[in-house]
Amino acid sequence: EIVLTQSPGTLSLSPGERATLSCRASQSVSGNYLAWYQQKPGQAPRLLIYGASSRATGIPDRFSGSGSGTDFSLTISRLEPEDFAVYYCQQYSDSPRTFGQGTKVEIK
Amino acid sequence: EVQLVESGGGLVKPGGSLRLSCAASGFTFGAYTMNWVRQAPGKGLEWVSSISSSSGFIYYADSLKGRFTISRDNAKNSLYLQMNSLRAEDTAVYYCAKGSGGFDVWGQGTMVTVSS
Repeated sequence: EIVLTQSPGTLSLSPGERATLSCRASQSVSGNYLAWYQQKPGQAPRLLIYGASSRATGIPDRFSGSGSGTDFSLTISRLEPEDFAVYYCQQYSDSPRTFGQGTKVEIK
Repeated sequence: EVQLVESGGGLVKPGGSLRLSCAASGFTFGAYTMNWVRQAPGKGLEWVSSISSSSGFIYYADSLKGRFTISRDNAKNSLYLQMNSLRAEDTAVYYCAKGSGGFDVWGQGTMVTVSS
């Protein structure tokens, strides 16, 4: 099983600042089959990034993903008020399709 | 509009069974892999199971094997999760989600509570 470890657990930032979230895999994620999701309280998750770096339909270009192998990151270039949420990474290169434990981006 | 709507959740006693359904609309349901993901109260996301478009490939989380069964009816645009021998730790919101390369459409979730 590929274990995904996200860091930090919580990121306290102000609107307009840059956010960088990390996702580290216990073994290589083949094909860079890694996705990022955003979840707000009481809502279902929303796909942001797939294939490590491709933005999903309708996702603003302030969201970008990068990385390969075992180290991946999600960057939000300038935080908007609606970006404060929990973010999860997920690998889909192998079964089980594991999620990271999440990073909460909160308002400082 | 592309939509997934889950139903069938509720309160069940430990050891009981429940069948969740997910009704799909707005896309060619039979062409896509479908998934169940759950989220315990205050916790993160946990992948439960996936089923390929024609049901030829089925996968489960190791912790669930033998208790949960995923299935689909492409003629009815519906996905199912049969849950047996339920435990308190199965208490969660259960989401159905579309896709195999990143889950791009999610339902609103249905709550399952296992308690005596």
